[in-house]
Amino acid sequence: NAGVTQTPKFQVLKTGQSMTLQCAQDMNHEYMSWYRQDPGMGLRLIHYSVGAGITDQGEVPNGYNVSRSTTEDFPLRLLSAAPSQTSVYFCAASLNNEQFFGPGTRLTVL
Amino acid sequence: AQTVTQSQPEMSVQEAETVTLSCTYDTSESDYYLFWYKQPPSRQMILVIRQEAYKQQNATENRFSVNFQKAAKSFSLKISDSQLGDAAMYFCAYRGYGQNFVFGPGTRLSVLP
Repeated sequence: NAGVTQTPKFQVLKTGQSMTLQCAQDMNHEYMSWYRQDPGMGLRLIHYSVGAGITDQGEVPNGYNVSRSTTEDFPLRLLSAAPSQTSVYFCAASLNNEQFFGPGTRLTVL
Repeated sequence: AQTVTQSQPEMSVQEAETVTLSCTYDTSESDYYLFWYKQPPSRQMILVIRQEAYKQQNATENRFSVNFQKAAKSFSLKISDSQLGDAAMYFCAYRGYGQNFVFGPGTRLSVLP
């Protein structure tokens, strides 16, 4: 039982490049979410999903896309990376009142 | 929209002493949950303690306890007998009727030997 996994752990991009951050969970939780963590700002919600085929925007969705074709997977796509997207990204899966986090991805956009 | 405030960006405590981290929140909901998460240098988010708003009794987990004041919308974390391994970022979080969590900006706790 791996919980929530994220790949890659580290990534460096050039401005304008696109990429997908992968997130997978093996707990069969319906609710999944993506956060970004920036110094002094805590974790801010980017997108979330309440089940396969259903996604919605969080607090800071601009520049990011998500999809949820299966319960297990919830990838986050950066369409055209910008330096403002340099951050640490966390994926989480939730059931009732417990939220399980992945190990995070540190992304640097040059 | 709900907001969570942590007014102490950094705190320090002597090993074996007690420290209290502050958290306040703003909400119009009557039923909700509050959490404290710990983030050590490994970056992993670890749940420390959880409080349900309808429960008047303050939650306790070993050396960690909370002081929940619903009317004041305050939710502080007390760490007793501080250990070197307690050094980390601590985040206060709120979850209301929806499933989304709202996090505070965090408090960096240093433990001095």
